[in-house]
Amino acid sequence: GAVVSQHPSRVICKSGTSVKIECRSLDFQATTMFWYRQFPKQSLMLMATSNEGSKATYEQGVEKDKFLINHASLTLSTLTVTSAHPEDSSFYICSATRQGTGIQYFGAGTRLSVL
Amino acid sequence: GQQLNQSPQSMFIQEGEDVSMNCTSSSIFNTWLWYKQDPGEGPVLLIALYKAGELTSNGRLTAQFGITRKDSFLNISASIPSDVGIYFCAGQSGGATNKLIFGTGTLLAVQP
Repeated sequence: GAVVSQHPSRVICKSGTSVKIECRSLDFQATTMFWYRQFPKQSLMLMATSNEGSKATYEQGVEKDKFLINHASLTLSTLTVTSAHPEDSSFYICSATRQGTGIQYFGAGTRLSVL
Repeated sequence: GQQLNQSPQSMFIQEGEDVSMNCTSSSIFNTWLWYKQDPGEGPVLLIALYKAGELTSNGRLTAQFGITRKDSFLNISASIPSDVGIYFCAGQSGGATNKLIFGTGTLLAVQP
């Protein structure tokens, strides 16, 4: 069964609104979670590394003020897309690293459509 | 961002055929991983490789960690229709971040 839960699976919003996506590790603690973005027919591109209890580390070119990440507990990280615009429409996927293995387990993804 | 070169880009095969795909990098990795992604879903881990030269199987899947640590291949034997999907390799350098660098993906279509 799934070890990483991501919610919601799909969201449609109006331009200018903010959207929050949750990522939970279900049966293990994850000090590190990752957020990816995937455009149609493309690979996963890492957006940021979410560290429990500290600030997220963003990849080059990713706006930290637009994509707010909070990792308040060892099992939950959230990504908030602020003031969403149509170009933010994409498939967002989170992953969590099982401690001691370095293996990333992925959520089922969130399809964001901004109208 | 950085991506690994994965080939072929797509494959259209008959059920029962064997499949091979590979991934190359200009950088050395400590871990190679192979994932499968179904449409509208997140990637699912198939095989993890931790040592140069390592050959690991998972059912009909076999993957190897290249000796140079810059490449890996995945073989699927006796393909079945449910093998359809996109296969991604991913390299991990290790260290504190455990970041993954993904390959460009191989789309596999299996004709029954």
